[in-house]
Order: sequence, then C-alpha cells, then structure tokens
Amino acid sequence: GQNIDQPTEMTATEGAIVQINCTYQTSGFNGLFWYQQHAGEAPTFLSYNVLDGLEEKGRFSSFLSRSKGYSYLLLKELQMKDSASYLCAVPVDSNYQLIWGAGTKLIIKP
Amino acid sequence: GAVVSQHPSWVICKSGTSVKIECRSLDFQATTMFWYRQFPKQSLMLMATSNEGSKATYEQGVEKDKFLINHASLTLSTLTVTSAHPEDSSFYICSARLAGGPVEQYFGPGTRLTVT
Repeated sequence: GQNIDQPTEMTATEGAIVQINCTYQTSGFNGLFWYQQHAGEAPTFLSYNVLDGLEEKGRFSSFLSRSKGYSYLLLKELQMKDSASYLCAVPVDSNYQLIWGAGTKLIIKP
Repeated sequence: GAVVSQHPSWVICKSGTSVKIECRSLDFQATTMFWYRQFPKQSLMLMATSNEGSKATYEQGVEKDKFLINHASLTLSTLTVTSAHPEDSSFYICSARLAGGPVEQYFGPGTRLTVT
C-alpha cells in the first residue's frame, strides 16, 4: 500500500531550529512536496524535491533521500507566524494526485 | 502566476438544499483539477480527480451522486453538494495542474461549508 508518516505534533522555541521528518512508501516516485497550512486556510507550497539532497530556500530547507524513503523540512530562526501544520505529500499515478501525510502541527513558544 | 480562485469562500445552507462551489484557474489552463475535503484537525482527503471533458474519478467512499463534479472547460470546475446534511459541513479545497506542466498542484483558498 501507499503510506506517508510524519509526527503529529512538535513544539519549538522562537528563534530556534526544528526538523520535521517524513517517511513514505509509495508505488513509483515523482518527487515530494512540503506544504504549510494555517488553520482555516488552504495549503501553501513550500518545497518540491525530486533529487536526493538538501534544497535551501531562505529560512526553510528540505532534504530528500530516495533510497531511504525519507525527507525532512528544516525551519530555522523560528518565528511565531511559523506556527502551523506542515504536510508532506507525494504525487502518484498518471494524474499526479497527491498522497498526503496526516500533517505535523508545529507549536512555537516564545 | 498560477492562481486558483474558489467561490464562495464560505456558505451556510439549510439541510436538504444543494450548494455549488466553483474553482477557477485564473491565469493558466488546467487539464486536471482535484477536489479535497478537510475536517477539523485532519489532513486533506482527496474526493475526486477531474480531467477536462471527462467524467470525474471519485475516491472510494465518496458518493458521486451526492458530490457532482463538472469540469467543462480548462479553467473551471464545479462541485455541487446535493441534498446537503450537517455531516457535509467541512472545508472544501480545489487544486489544479497546468496542462502539460509540472507535477505541482496550485490550491484555491478553500470554501467553508456549514449545513444547518
């Protein structure tokens, strides 16, 4: 079957660094997405990894290891506005429909 | 670029009535649109995949006669919730992919449906 796992909730301190992990088991691989979703809003795109390695984009970086079926999202210099859910998703099938992880709720404390 | 709009952003309706939600790709042509539903504190659940000019493909457990999806053009898909009931109250989100484009989906802002 197809499955994506990520922690349910994480807590971090403002200004710190946090790493949100995601493991996946899917038939075929067309890359991996990370989205941010604030309560009551639609997801917003953060990153898309197709090749192994780390991609850095400002305070956010995303890592992929295809051989391990593993990715992580790294958030640096945490700000209170980073409190949100972070969703890992993998596109599958000919339409590239997304298989979603359950999301990780990130709580930032002052 | 790649903006998706949804209308309405929120709607309240009475039980037994039908509600139509529109999803538009504003600056690109979308051959494929997806409809999701999200209940509080849960992840997105794919309801159906819609290809322009074809019948939608519904996920298991989603009633196609209750959730009518029409994708008549490359920029518009509609979701009609027929005979809505309180348990249909949810956050409905659409997304779209560029025709012949990359894998990425572009999300609409969502529609909050409350059935009383």
